[in-house]
Amino acid sequence: QKEVEQNSGPLSVPEGAIASLNCTYSDRGSQSFFWYRQYSGKSPELIMSIYSNGDKEDGRFTAQLNKASQYVSLLIRDSQPSDSATYLCAGTYNTDKLIFGTGTRLQVFP
Amino acid sequence: SQTIHQWPATLVQPVGSPLSLECTVEGTSNPNLYWYRQAAGRGLQLLFYSVGIGQISSEVPQNLSASRPQDRQFILSSKKLLLSDSGFYLCAWGRPWDSDTGELFFGEGSRLTVL
Repeated sequence: QKEVEQNSGPLSVPEGAIASLNCTYSDRGSQSFFWYRQYSGKSPELIMSIYSNGDKEDGRFTAQLNKASQYVSLLIRDSQPSDSATYLCAGTYNTDKLIFGTGTRLQVFP
Repeated sequence: SQTIHQWPATLVQPVGSPLSLECTVEGTSNPNLYWYRQAAGRGLQLLFYSVGIGQISSEVPQNLSASRPQDRQFILSSKKLLLSDSGFYLCAWGRPWDSDTGELFFGEGSRLTVL
């Protein structure tokens, strides 16, 4: 069974710190990976995508992919209370589906 | 720009009653369409996906069904709801998978409570 695994948290970090969110996946055929942010009671919002090994930066967000280790991560620099949410990791399989992890809840305290 | 809408946003239904959730996409043609369910404290479970009109693939055996009567319309239905059908239902669209992207964009969600 294809799986994407995340620590459910909560991950608590102080305002201004770096939050590090991690994800592993089981399907070596997965090509594309995504991070979604989901506020309580709301639908997921895409914040980062990554397709090749290495780092990809967008503002305060950096996604990292290591296909050999089947590992994806998201770093949030200068964390803000507004970043408090559940972060969902997702990977493709069978070329037309996304499999999601259960999400990591991030809490940023002032 | 592309937009996706689903409705109703919230509904409370008795066990055994029917269900119909609707989703429409605007600003794109021939999208891939998806229904996910998110139970309380759980991840997103893929229920159905469609790559074209009348083409439906089911991921999980259950008492739910899906239909795609038009290119940008996706409907989730049930003839008789179970308590276990409660959850947050999310419709999503994606570009056909001959592109290099693969990301999905979600509607606002429909919260279903079965009593």
